[in-house]
Amino acid sequence: GQSLEQPSEVTAVEGAIVQINCTYQTSGFYGLSWYQQHDGGAPTFLSYNALDGLEETGRFSSFLSRSDSYGYLLLQELQMKDSASYFCAVRVGGSWGKLQFGAGTQVVVTP
Amino acid sequence: DAGVTQSPTHLIKTRGQQVTLRCSPKSGHDTVSWYQQALGQGPQFIFQYYEEEERQRGNFPDRFSGHQFPNYSSELNVNALLLGDSALYLCASSLFGGETQYFGPGTRLLVL
Repeated sequence: GQSLEQPSEVTAVEGAIVQINCTYQTSGFYGLSWYQQHDGGAPTFLSYNALDGLEETGRFSSFLSRSDSYGYLLLQELQMKDSASYFCAVRVGGSWGKLQFGAGTQVVVTP
Repeated sequence: DAGVTQSPTHLIKTRGQQVTLRCSPKSGHDTVSWYQQALGQGPQFIFQYYEEEERQRGNFPDRFSGHQFPNYSSELNVNALLLGDSALYLCASSLFGGETQYFGPGTRLLVL
C-alpha cells in the first residue's frame, strides 16, 4: 500500500521559519510534490522534487531524500498570508500517474 | 488565459439521487483528473482522463463515472448518492505526463 505522513498542525509567528516534514511509503515512486490550500480555495502547486536535494522557489524550499523516503517543505520569512494547509503528494503510476495526497498540515501564522 | 473552471459551485442532493459535475481544463491542457476532498482531509484521487479515456482510477466504486469530451472538458457523475459522498469535488488539469496539476475551485456537494 501507499501512505504519506505529515504533522497535522504547525503554529509559528510572522517572520519565523517553518519546516513541514513528509514521510512516504509507496511502490513506484516518481516524485514528491507540495500544494498549498487556503480555506475554501483550490490547492495550488508549490514545488516538485524528482531527485534528491533542495529546490528553492522564493521564500519556499523543498527537499527530498529518496533513500529515506522523506521530504520537507521549508517556509521562510513567514507572512500572515501563509496561513493555509500544506499537502505533500506522491506521483505514482508512471507517466499517467495520479497524485496521492497526505492529510495535510495546517500552518497557523500569528502576529 | 482562463484557469480551470468547475460548475456548479455548490449543490445539494438527497440520498439516492444522481449528480453531474462539470470541469473545463486550463487552456492547452489535455488531461483531467478528479479528486474528492472530505473536510479536513487531503484530496483523494478518483480517476484521470486523457484522450477521452479513463487512464487511471482510484479506490472508488462504480457509482463514480466520468467522461471527457473532444474539447478536453470533463464530467463526473455519481449515482445512488450516499451521505458519505458529501465532499468538495476538485478537478485538476495538466499536460499529459506533466508534473504540475492545476486545480479548479471545486464543487461542494452536500447529500442529505
